[in-house]
Amino acid sequence: DGGITQSPKYLFRKEGQNVTLSCEQNLNHDAMYWYRQDPGQGLRLIYYSQIVNDFQKGDIAEGYSVSREKKESFPLTVTSAQKNPTAFYLCASNPGSVQGNTIYFGEGSWLTVV
Amino acid sequence: EDKVVQSPLSLVVHEGDTVTLNCSYEVTNFRSLLWYKQEKKAPTFLFMLTSSGIEKKSGRLSSILDKKELFSILNITATQTGDSAIYLCAVPIQGAQKLVFGQGTRLTINP
Repeated sequence: DGGITQSPKYLFRKEGQNVTLSCEQNLNHDAMYWYRQDPGQGLRLIYYSQIVNDFQKGDIAEGYSVSREKKESFPLTVTSAQKNPTAFYLCASNPGSVQGNTIYFGEGSWLTVV
Repeated sequence: EDKVVQSPLSLVVHEGDTVTLNCSYEVTNFRSLLWYKQEKKAPTFLFMLTSSGIEKKSGRLSSILDKKELFSILNITATQTGDSAIYLCAVPIQGAQKLVFGQGTRLTINP
């Protein structure tokens, strides 16, 4: 079945360490997104990519980095520069422009800094 | 700056009550407004609204858009405990390249 796979689902990180969250899609979608969600809150955009080898910062990009070397993959690295990284991270993809129910979400990754 | 604001942020009601969730927006070149339900993990799509005054309905859920006053409401009638979730409102911006989300409304239905 087509969809988006995020891994790991749960991750614990020590302060000062970088960690990479994986996001893979087999939907042949051009656009991919990373969102952060804090408990009881909405989604905030970290980075997005409209096409391979290109990506743009979202609203809260500081302390994060991404790459888009392959169409199906959009990994997110949470660096030690991110001051408060504990959150739920959602990856999403879309064929092109966002319209209605065309955006697909992964199941999310919970990151906890200990 | 493009902005989407939801209210209330949190709502607790009893099973059987009717609730109304609000979403207001200020965006450039508005095209549509989306509602999602998020229970534990990924948000699930509920409605897309593009025209003022036309109600979208799915079972006990309905939604309507007012493009003059720049807001939308999501109504849930005869609420059930399974309606407990975070309800998210989102608007595509920048030529629909990305979505901007509201803060979400956390709805709790008590039996």
